[in-house]
This record gives sequence, structure tokens and C-alpha cells, in this order.
Amino acid sequence: AQSVTQLDSHVSVSEGTPVLLRCNYSSSYSPSLFWYVQHPNKGLQLLLKYTSAATLVKGINGFEAEFKKSETSFHLTKPSAHMSDAAEYFCVVSDTSGTYKYIFGTGTRLKVLA
Amino acid sequence: GAGVSQTPSNKVTEKGKYVELRCDPISGHTALYWYRQSLGQGPEFLIYFQGTGAADDSGLPNDRFFAVRPEGSVSTLKIQRTERGDSAVYLCASSLSGGFTDTQYFGPGTRLTVL
Repeated sequence: AQSVTQLDSHVSVSEGTPVLLRCNYSSSYSPSLFWYVQHPNKGLQLLLKYTSAATLVKGINGFEAEFKKSETSFHLTKPSAHMSDAAEYFCVVSDTSGTYKYIFGTGTRLKVLA
Repeated sequence: GAGVSQTPSNKVTEKGKYVELRCDPISGHTALYWYRQSLGQGPEFLIYFQGTGAADDSGLPNDRFFAVRPEGSVSTLKIQRTERGDSAVYLCASSLSGGFTDTQYFGPGTRLTVL
């Protein structure tokens, strides 16, 4: 069965410093992986997705993630945090059992300090 | 174009009452999903529709929960005899065809509070 583990429930960074949100996955097959962001009282928005093409995936708002099969990781990074990046981030794997429903991690709350 | 919409945005009900939550997917999307997000948790899958049929309802917690999509577009999630534990944000998502690499587009959710 597929699963994702987000290693940090909370991350705090100063504005202008790099962001690293960690995600490890478990999958019997080559996975489809996604990162979504959820701002307070807003819907989930796709940041980026990996679907077995390039291992370094670039997303919106300067975010990127690297798929590392040997480490079963899909960490999200951004070179310089902005105050508007403060939100909840979810790592997601697409289930391979037939219906391709999403399996979400427990989320990482990113706090950006001025 | 229009995204996924959900109504109502908030619903407060009393324990034991019946509620209906509505989802309007992106036009042309054949796949529709319902998820439930409890406070401080990631969303959890409830049910998946491909067209009019429920292809996977393995996430529905019990038989008080039911969902329909009679014309392959709008879907309604129905909860009978609500319990306080049903309080959560109910999210709807749609994707073009339900494929492995498809992106799911989420609505803003319905916050259900059972008193």
C-alpha cells in the first residue's frame, strides 16, 4: 500500500531564508507524487507534481521538489521564503490500487518570521 | 474558467439530523472525489465517482454516509443521523479522467459542525 510521511509537523524559517519541507513515500510502483498548499480558510492548491518525467520538478511561486528513488523522498524546497508562504503543506501520493485516489500526509505547517 | 464549487460553505446541525453537501465539479471532468479533513489532519478519502457510478466507496466510514452523482456532474454527499464525530471539513475534488497522473482540483470545502 502507498503512504507518505511528512517528517516535520511544524517548520519555522525567517523571511528570505531557504525552506525545506520533508516527505518520504512508500509505494510498490513508480509513484505519482504531489505537493499541495492550503492557506487558512482556502482550498487546496497544487504546487507541483512528479509523474516519472524529470526528477527535479519546478512548481509555482518558486517551489521545487526532487524525486529521489534511492531515498524514497520527495522534499519540497524554496530558496527564499516570503511571508505569503506561511501555510499548511501536504505531500500526496496517488494510490495505485485502481482508483488513483490521493493519500495525504499529515501536513507541515510553515511559519515565516519577519 | 470556473473551479470546483461546494455548497454550503458552512453547515451547523444538531446531532441526529440529516445533511446534504453539494459539489459542482469542473465542467468536463469525469472523475469526482470526496475527502474529509478533521482538525489538524490531512484529508482522508471517502468516495470516488467515475461518471455516474461510485467506483470506490471504501472510505465511507459507515452506512450513515451515502453519495450520489446521478447525471455525472454534480454530486451530493448525504449524512444521516449525524454525530458529533462527523464534524469536519468535507472536500470535493475533480479530475479530467481519474488517471494515475491526473491532477485533482479541490473545492473550498464545506465545514460541517454537529452540535
